[in-house]
Amino acid sequence: AQKVTQAQTEISVVEKEDVTLDCVYETRDTTYYLFWYKQPPSGELVFLIRRNSFDEQNEISGRYSWNFQKSTSSFNFTITASQVVDSAVYFCALSETSGGSNYKLTFGKGTLLTVNP
Amino acid sequence: DGGITQSPKYLFRKEGQNVTLSCEQNLNHDAMYWYRQDPGQGLRLIYYSQIVNDFQKGDIAEGYSVSREKKESFPLTVTSAQKNPTAFYLCASSVSLGSSYNEQFFGPGTRLTVL
Repeated sequence: AQKVTQAQTEISVVEKEDVTLDCVYETRDTTYYLFWYKQPPSGELVFLIRRNSFDEQNEISGRYSWNFQKSTSSFNFTITASQVVDSAVYFCALSETSGGSNYKLTFGKGTLLTVNP
Repeated sequence: DGGITQSPKYLFRKEGQNVTLSCEQNLNHDAMYWYRQDPGQGLRLIYYSQIVNDFQKGDIAEGYSVSREKKESFPLTVTSAQKNPTAFYLCASSVSLGSSYNEQFFGPGTRLTVL
């Protein structure tokens, strides 16, 4: 069964600090997809990234970067020089491709990030 | 502007009443989904629909019902059979079923409170 663990329930940092959000997943599939979503206080989930299991290259988008390591089943998310606007709940999610379940996103419980001025 | 709209934003219901949450999308997406979010929890899938007039149960469908009469609309009814309906409900859509290769876009959510 697929599972996503975000061990950090809450993180609090001061503006301009770097912060890493951890995500560990479990799956038996060899082909799967990993996602990160941001949920600001307004409630709407905002898509940040999708990564397939065959692409282990790290990705950088502005102040955001993602580190995917299959060897440790982790897909960590780093925000560099954090800003108050980064304050949100961040969800990691997994989608398998076998057994007809490729429609399904399994979410972690989320990490509440608070960036203080 | 393309997107997903959900209404109402806040909804209060008395115990024993059915209530319907609206979800509309103008993204021309085939697939639509309903999720439930409880405090400190991730999202759990209630129902999903691949095409018009077709929908499937997700992980926690008991006490809920849906319809998909139009491509743009996927309303969710929370029935009196749902034992603990107070939660935040999120609707999502994707180009097609198979979120493994196309991301789901989410609406702003409806917060349902049972009094």
